[in-house]
Amino acid sequence: EPEVTQTPSHQVTQMGQEVILRCVPISNHLYFYWYRQILGQKVEFLVSFYNNEISEKSEIFDDQFSVERPDGSNFTLKIRSTKLEDSAMYFCASSRSGTVNEQFFGPGTRLTVL
Amino acid sequence: AQSVTQPDIHITVSEGASLELRCNYSYGATPYLFWYVQSPGQGLQLLLKYFSGDTLVQGIKGFEAEFKRSQSSFNLRKPSVHWSDAAEYFCAVGGLNQAGTALIFGKGTTLSVSS
Repeated sequence: EPEVTQTPSHQVTQMGQEVILRCVPISNHLYFYWYRQILGQKVEFLVSFYNNEISEKSEIFDDQFSVERPDGSNFTLKIRSTKLEDSAMYFCASSRSGTVNEQFFGPGTRLTVL
Repeated sequence: AQSVTQPDIHITVSEGASLELRCNYSYGATPYLFWYVQSPGQGLQLLLKYFSGDTLVQGIKGFEAEFKRSQSSFNLRKPSVHWSDAAEYFCAVGGLNQAGTALIFGKGTTLSVSS
């Protein structure tokens, strides 16, 4: 069964450093998403991406964040200058189409900012 | 603002007993409703979804959920819990704006199953 994969599973970084979180969505899916979950809090929507551009983003997704589909398989989330409060579990998801089609989630990357 | 509330942070149920996990949403119209499950080290897996029609929906792993418009609720049920059901359960709503791509999640309910 096809699945969404994410690497690394755990990333530790120093405050102010740039991090790139990687995701490989399901191959025939067209919409891609990032969510995050700060420990003990809700899973929060960050951004959705379709046809090589952002289709929707939340207030959390500020100028420090960017997304990219550098090739036909990867989907990345970059945080330019990490802050302590960026420590969270980051989930990638993909769906065949947009507008509440089922989103398939990856296992997450736990980001720890020291 | 739209929100999803899962009132129970942690529930323990005996194996074989029935289960109900509560979910309430706050939104002016009927959103699209989802239940996801997350086992340790795994991603979020969709259990079931409600878009329209029959308000009792069946999902995978023997789960069902009932949409009650008057109560703004979408509670998840299972008649007989198995030890493998121990996991974290998230209720989510979608289709709340024109783009319609974002899901809004509740905080989750951790289910423990005792023998």
